[in-house]
Amino acid sequence: DAGVIQSPRHEVTEMGQEVTLRCKPISGHNSLFWYRQTMMRGLELLIYFNNNVPIDDSGMPEDRFSAKMPNASFSTLKIQPSEPRDSAVYFCASRGQGDRPSYEQYFGPGTRLTVT
Amino acid sequence: GEDVEQSLFLSVREGDSSVINCTYTDSSSTYLYWYKQEPGAGLQLLTYIFSNMDMKQDQRLTVLLNKKDKHLSLRIADTQTGDSAIYFCAEGKGKLIFGQGTTLQVKP
Repeated sequence: DAGVIQSPRHEVTEMGQEVTLRCKPISGHNSLFWYRQTMMRGLELLIYFNNNVPIDDSGMPEDRFSAKMPNASFSTLKIQPSEPRDSAVYFCASRGQGDRPSYEQYFGPGTRLTVT
Repeated sequence: GEDVEQSLFLSVREGDSSVINCTYTDSSSTYLYWYKQEPGAGLQLLTYIFSNMDMKQDQRLTVLLNKKDKHLSLRIADTQTGDSAIYFCAEGKGKLIFGQGTTLQVKP
């Protein structure tokens, strides 16, 4: 299995531009998570989906952020308009179905976003 | 709400043992986890312990759980330079609550 795939790996954009981050979860996994990691705030859960349905979006910073999961194999996190304080590494993770602890979250390599 | 706390930094010499500590607040968690993040990479599940266990050993890793004090620790025996990373403890199921991460620096 290729693991969780994220694209792009690096994104540099100017303030005000729209940014779209993409994630392909591990095949067969039914939960998907978006995290943001910064030095100041550590690892923050932004939103997670279960069976393509958003379950908890309480971590989404503000209306500029939106996430979609149109099908079981694809999710996007969009920031519009982007601001310098959005600069961070954004991780996507997926989780298998069931209660076994080994199903717990598998992380992608992350997208490093820099907003100038 | 649930909270997980860790010390931020630990420095050890190669060959020594490392002990990374974590405290948590949610006593209902069935499993507790340790994740490892190497530079430039995502988090990787390292090990986990069932909440009714006190100890779990996996090669160089020993996880100790004190449920009464809600304290979790990860001991790495014979620490190597390749163990240098950020270590996160986490609790929950599905939606995990992560600590801030402990940066382990291994000096040769």
